[in-house]
Amino acid sequence: GQNIDQPTEMTATEGAIVQINCTYQTSGFNGLFWYQQHAGEAPTFLSYNVLDGLEEKGRFSSFLSRSKGYSYLLLKELQMKDSASYLCAVSGSNYQLIWGAGTKLIIKP
Amino acid sequence: DTGVSQDPRHKITKRGQNVTFRCDPISEHNRLYWYRQTLGQGPEFLTYFQNEAQLEKSRLLSDRFSAERPKGSFSTLEIQRTEQGDSAMYLCASGTSGGGDEQFFGPGTRLTVL
Repeated sequence: GQNIDQPTEMTATEGAIVQINCTYQTSGFNGLFWYQQHAGEAPTFLSYNVLDGLEEKGRFSSFLSRSKGYSYLLLKELQMKDSASYLCAVSGSNYQLIWGAGTKLIIKP
Repeated sequence: DTGVSQDPRHKITKRGQNVTFRCDPISEHNRLYWYRQTLGQGPEFLTYFQNEAQLEKSRLLSDRFSAERPKGSFSTLEIQRTEQGDSAMYLCASGTSGGGDEQFFGPGTRLTVL
């Protein structure tokens, strides 16, 4: 079967660094996406990885290891506005997105 | 605003009624997706279109759900004989075909079935 696993909830402190992990098992792989979703709002795109390695975009970075079926999203210099759910999604063999349940990130002052 | 739009934003209906939602994608996008999302879960795929062709429909989707994209532009999602379990956020997303197919989401329609 196809499966995406990520922690349900994480807590971090303003100004700190947090790493949100995602493991996946899918039939086919055409890339991995990270989306941010604030409560009551639609998901917004953060990053896309299709090759192994680290992609850096400002305070956010995303890493992929295809052999391990593993990715992480790294958030630096956390701000209160980063409190949101972070969704990991994999593009499978038919280019459909398979979504994880999301990680709720709580930022404390 | 050139993003994805959805209408209505909120819908409250009584069990057994039919509802229809509309999605207007980004104009140059040929793919359009419908998802359903409940609290604490990721989006659940319902169906998607490439231009006007409906290419895939989730096996989880009952016969009460139907979607159209008649001219390859806007799309409608209809739910017939609504049930309380249909209460959810219905999200529409658009994108272009290809491996790096980033999907752009609309604001969603929140459906409450009483």
